[in-house]
Amino acid sequence: GAVVSQHPSWVICKSGTSVKIECRSLDFQATTMFWYRQFPKQSLMLMATSNEGSKATYEQGVEKDKFLINHASLTLSTLTVTSAHPEDSSFYICSAKSDGTKDGYTFGSGTRLTVV
Amino acid sequence: GNSVTQMEGPVTLSEEAFLTINCTYTATGYPSLFWYVQYPGEGLQLLLKATKADDKGSNKGFEATYRKETTSFHLEKGSVQVSDSAVYFCALRGPGANSKLTFGKGITLSVRP
Repeated sequence: GAVVSQHPSWVICKSGTSVKIECRSLDFQATTMFWYRQFPKQSLMLMATSNEGSKATYEQGVEKDKFLINHASLTLSTLTVTSAHPEDSSFYICSAKSDGTKDGYTFGSGTRLTVV
Repeated sequence: GNSVTQMEGPVTLSEEAFLTINCTYTATGYPSLFWYVQYPGEGLQLLLKATKADDKGSNKGFEATYRKETTSFHLEKGSVQVSDSAVYFCALRGPGANSKLTFGKGITLSVRP
């Protein structure tokens, strides 16, 4: 079945540095990728939607200059958290639109980001 | 806007116990409703879904019924197993081709042998 590989699974970084999270579709082409964030005890919240080869669409309240999304190929999308601060510590999950699943989505396993 | 409310967790049960995880929603129109499960180290997977009122989704012994009158989609299983230990997310998606998934907070279920 469709698989999305997300790396790293966890990362600790210092304040002010940037962190890149990768999501790769292993056996299908992901024309659309969704990026979610989950703060402790909160819901998974959609941050942005990216389509291959075009600029991402960000949800209201999400800073596009801080959360850089690149979707330059049909199998790779990246989320870069720039100048990270402790309040960016969260669980980030990607999800690709895929025809091979009953609900049309394949999720990555998530990345736990801790900024110290 | 759309929202999903799940009961507070975590939940710890003994093997073969009965499971209920509550989920209620707020949405305009007639959304589709989903339960996703995330096993340790894996991505979210669709567990079951229902697309209209009174539909019952079922899979792997889990069931949930789309109750429009109570705006609920509670997840149940008659006899849980240790392998059911995971995080469970309730979600909805509004009508329309471009509508997006709205998730609840998720709840962690631990099943003891």
